Amino acid sequence: AQKVTQAQTEISVVEKEDVTLDCVYETRDTTYYLFWYKQPPSGELVFLIRRNSFDEQNEISGRYSWNFQKSTSSFNFTITASQVVDSAVYFCALSEAIEYGNKLVFGAGTILRVKS
Amino acid sequence: GAGVSQTPSNKVTEKGKYVELRCDPISGHTALYWYRQSLGQGPEFLIYFQGTGAADDSGLPNDRFFAVRPEGSVSTLKIQRTERGDSAVYLCASSSGLAGGQQYFGPGTRLTVL
Repeated sequence: AQKVTQAQTEISVVEKEDVTLDCVYETRDTTYYLFWYKQPPSGELVFLIRRNSFDEQNEISGRYSWNFQKSTSSFNFTITASQVVDSAVYFCALSEAIEYGNKLVFGAGTILRVKS
Repeated sequence: GAGVSQTPSNKVTEKGKYVELRCDPISGHTALYWYRQSLGQGPEFLIYFQGTGAADDSGLPNDRFFAVRPEGSVSTLKIQRTERGDSAVYLCASSSGLAGGQQYFGPGTRLTVL
């Protein structure tokens, strides 16, 4: 069975601090996809990144970076120089690679509060 | 272009009533998903359509829940004999249907069962 664990329920930081959100996953599949979504107070889920299981290269996009390590089944997300607008709930999700479509298995989410 | 839309945005009903929630996916997306998000939790998968057919309905909690997508576009999630435990935000998403494809989520319908 697939499972995603986000052990950090809530994190509070002061603006400009760096923060890392942890994600650990379980799957028996050798081919799978990992995602991060942001859910701001408005409620709509916003896609941030997708990685497939064969691509362990870390990725950086502006202040965001992701560290994918298959050896520890982790896909952690770091925000550098956090801003108040980063305050949201962040979800890590996993899907198996089937021919069509891919239902997502989400973690419980991490609430990030960035204070000015 | 237009994103995924869901109506109504809020629905309040009484226990035992029947409700319908509508999802209008992004034009051309063949895959459509329904998820349910309870307070303080991540979304949980309910059902997935590829075209008109339900390819995976393993997440539907019981036979009070049913969904259709008769023309391969708009989908309706139907809940019979609602219970207080059905209160949640119901999210719809659509994608191109390819493996690993990004899912685009709608704003959700907040269902409250009194």
